[in-house]
Amino acid sequence: AQTVTQSQPEMSVQEAETVTLSCTYDTSENNYYLFWYKQPPSRQMILVIRQEAYKQQNATENRFSVNFQKAAKSFSLKISDSQLGDTAMYFCAFMKLPYNFNKFYFGSGTKLNVKP
Amino acid sequence: EAGVTQFPSHSVIEKGQTVTLRCDPISGHDNLYWYRRVMGKEIKFLLHFVKESKQDESGMPNNRFLAERTGGTYSTLKVQPAELEDSGVYFCASSWRATGLGYTFGSGTRLTVV
Repeated sequence: AQTVTQSQPEMSVQEAETVTLSCTYDTSENNYYLFWYKQPPSRQMILVIRQEAYKQQNATENRFSVNFQKAAKSFSLKISDSQLGDTAMYFCAFMKLPYNFNKFYFGSGTKLNVKP
Repeated sequence: EAGVTQFPSHSVIEKGQTVTLRCDPISGHDNLYWYRRVMGKEIKFLLHFVKESKQDESGMPNNRFLAERTGGTYSTLKVQPAELEDSGVYFCASSWRATGLGYTFGSGTRLTVV
């Protein structure tokens, strides 16, 4: 079975600063994807970034980057130059490969508040 | 294109009553998924439809939950009778292919059972 743990229920950051959200996971699989999803208040959940486990290079999407440590089973999300629009719930998720008909395993989420 | 739409956005019902949640996927998406987040906990998979067929219903908590997808379009999730522990946010998602790379989520239905 796969489990995803997000140990920070809530975090705050000042606008323009950098924040890192933690995620660890447990799996016996060797091939999988990891994801960070964002859910703004009362809005749909959207994909922020994803990482293929077989790639050593950390994924980056504009101000969002990950620190993927496969041996440690750690997958943290760094948000640089935080903006007010980054205020949201952030969910870390895992999906094993091959991903046909596979489901997400999510963490419990981290509520991020970006303060002006 | 229209996104995944869920109705209602909020529902408050009494224990023992019945509630039906609806999900309208993106047109043309054969795959439809239901997930649930009980307050403060992780989001958990409930089931997966491919068109009108249940591909995987391993996450359905018990027989008080009934999901349908008649005609392979919209889906309903009925809870009958509702219990206090059913409270949470119910998410629907759809995808064209059954992979993790094309999911589109809805905004969720917040269900409160009192």
